[in-house]
Amino acid sequence: NAGVTQTPKFQVLKTGQSMTLQCAQDMNHNSMYWYRQDPGMGLRLIYYSASEGTTDKGEVPNGYNVSRLNKREFSLRLESAAPSQTSVYFCASTKDPGRGYGYTFGSGTRLTVV
Amino acid sequence: GEDVEQSLFLSVREGDSSVINCTYTDSSSTYLYWYKQEPGAGLQLLTYIFSNMDMKQDQRLTVLLNKKDKHLSLRIADTQTGDSAIYFCAETPDGNKLVFGAGTILRVKS
Repeated sequence: NAGVTQTPKFQVLKTGQSMTLQCAQDMNHNSMYWYRQDPGMGLRLIYYSASEGTTDKGEVPNGYNVSRLNKREFSLRLESAAPSQTSVYFCASTKDPGRGYGYTFGSGTRLTVV
Repeated sequence: GEDVEQSLFLSVREGDSSVINCTYTDSSSTYLYWYKQEPGAGLQLLTYIFSNMDMKQDQRLTVLLNKKDKHLSLRIADTQTGDSAIYFCAETPDGNKLVFGAGTILRVKS
């Protein structure tokens, strides 16, 4: 099993460009998440999808949109990239967030906005 | 709001024990987690503890939970150079999502 797959692994954007980060999981998990990681700040939740067909804002949603395309796929879109969005982005999934199953993380997308 | 707090850095010698501490914010968190992140990689689940437990042991790892003080610790026995990484604690305040601390960088000197 591949687990959680993120594409691309690296990306450089110019300010104002748009892009979509892709995430797919093959574990039949119900819940999926997008986090960003910045030095000294841990991981901060951008958006999450508790189940197929639902999405909710996390701690830092501004400048982002998401789509839960189906049970497997959860994409993150930057409509107009800004330097403040330079970060490492992680997608994660879990079978049931309230039952101690833990979250499986992808290997991350390293995004630089210049 | 309050943050999940961790010390930023810990340095130990190979073979010693490491203790990484965390103070979480929400006493209703049902599960509390420890994750490990190696350079350039994603987060890997190390262990977790259910809120009605005081201690959980898993090979070299021991998790202690003090619910009264909202304090969580991770002890790594016989620390090895391969344990060098960033360690994150995380809580589940509303059962829907993980909230992470800033991470503790563990450096193991040989």
